[in-house]
Amino acid sequence: ELQLLESGGGLVQPGGSLRLSCAASGFTFSSYAMSWVRQAPGKGLEWVSGISGSGTSTNYADSVKGRFTISRDNSKNTLYLQMNSLRAEDTALYYCVKLSLLGGPSAVNFWGQGALVTVSS
Amino acid sequence: DIQMTQSPSSVSASVGDRVTITCRASQGISSWLAWYQHKPGKAPKLLIYSASSLHSGVPSRFSGSGSGTDFTLTISSLQPEDFATYYCQQANSFPITFGQGTRLENK
Repeated sequence: ELQLLESGGGLVQPGGSLRLSCAASGFTFSSYAMSWVRQAPGKGLEWVSGISGSGTSTNYADSVKGRFTISRDNSKNTLYLQMNSLRAEDTALYYCVKLSLLGGPSAVNFWGQGALVTVSS
Repeated sequence: DIQMTQSPSSVSASVGDRVTITCRASQGISSWLAWYQHKPGKAPKLLIYSASSLHSGVPSRFSGSGSGTDFTLTISSLQPEDFATYYCQQANSFPITFGQGTRLENK
C-alpha cells in the first residue's frame, strides 16, 4: 500500500527554522519526482518545491526561493524540506506529494495527510 | 509563471445535476492539466490527468476535456459524495500552479 507520512511540523517563531520529513513506502521511491504542496488556512493549494527522482534537479516557488531547500535520501525513501527564515505567511498544512513522472512537472497522483506548520510569536 | 483561473469560484447544485467547471491557463499548456477533488480534513485526490484521462478508481461520471488554454471538468450526475472543492493544476512547466479552486455546494 502506498504511504507518505509527514513529520516535523510544529510551532516556530518568525525567523526560525523547521525541517519537514516525509517517509515513503509502497512504491519505488527513486523512480518518481516528489514535491511539497501547502495550503494556508482558508486558502487554496500552493506548490512549494519539487525534486526529481535522482535528486539532481530541484525547483522552487518564488515565495520560498532562497529560504527553503528540498532534498531526498533515496536510500532511506525519505523526502525533506528545510525551511529557514520562516514568516507568518508560511503558516500552512504542508503536503508531501508523489508526482507521476521521474522528472519535470506532472500530475500529483498521491498525497500525504499533511504536516501543520505554524509561524507565530 | 502560468496563471490558472477557474470559474465559477463556487457553484450550488443538487444530486443528479450535471456540473461543469472551467479552467483557463494564461498561456498554452497543451494537455498538461490535472483536476483534483479536496474535502475538508482529507488529502486531495487526483481525478483527471493529461486533461482527459481518468485516474484509476475514479468514477466514470467525472470527465475532463480541453487543450491549449481552456479546459473543463464535468460531473455528469452529481452524487452526495461529490460535494467538495475542485482544483485544476498545470503540469506544463515549473513552477507548478493551481487554480484558486471551485467550491461545489449542495443547493
